[in-house]
Amino acid sequence: AQSVAQPEDQVNVAEGNPLTVKCTYSVSGNPYLFWYVQYPNRGLQFLLKYITGDNLVKGSYGFEAEFNKSQTSFHLKKPSALVSDSALYFCAVRDMNNNAGNMLTFGGGTRLMVKP
Amino acid sequence: KAGVTQTPRYLIKTRGQQVTLSCSPISGHRSVSWYQQTPGQGLQFLFEYFSETQRNKGNFPGRFSGRQFSNSRSEMNVSTLELGDSALYLCASQSDTGELFFGEGSRLTVL
Repeated sequence: AQSVAQPEDQVNVAEGNPLTVKCTYSVSGNPYLFWYVQYPNRGLQFLLKYITGDNLVKGSYGFEAEFNKSQTSFHLKKPSALVSDSALYFCAVRDMNNNAGNMLTFGGGTRLMVKP
Repeated sequence: KAGVTQTPRYLIKTRGQQVTLSCSPISGHRSVSWYQQTPGQGLQFLFEYFSETQRNKGNFPGRFSGRQFSNSRSEMNVSTLELGDSALYLCASQSDTGELFFGEGSRLTVL
């Protein structure tokens, strides 16, 4: 079985400061990892993904994420937060070695609040 | 390219009724997945369709069903609605490079 944990329900950061949203995962095979963002009353927007290769993945809107196999983590980062980054962020995993099609398992979400 | 389109965006039903939600994937995408989002349970996988065949199913009762048509459009149906079925139902289609692209969702309220 695959699972994702986002240990922080909410992250508060001042505008212009760096931000980190944490994610750890568990899969039996190789992970396929994603970050999505959700604004109020909207669907999920794709930010970035990791399949293989470079452990630092760059995505949309200046976000990046670092894959750490030994710690089974995939933390989302941004060097300088904007007020407009305030939203709900979801980490998700798919087991590439599992015959589960395209099913994603999502974490519980982390609300990011960026204050001016 | 148009995104994933879900209809209706909002609907209100009463207990015992049934509901059908529709999803049109991005042109060229053949895989469509459905997820339920609630404050208490978060995002949960319902089912996935590929080329009109259900490829995977989540842990939901048989009241939840779906289908996919030859043009890749998909519908999901919930019968005998319960209060706990109130949720945002999200549809996603998959690109060739593996990302899921989500629609805006259908918000169902069961009274």
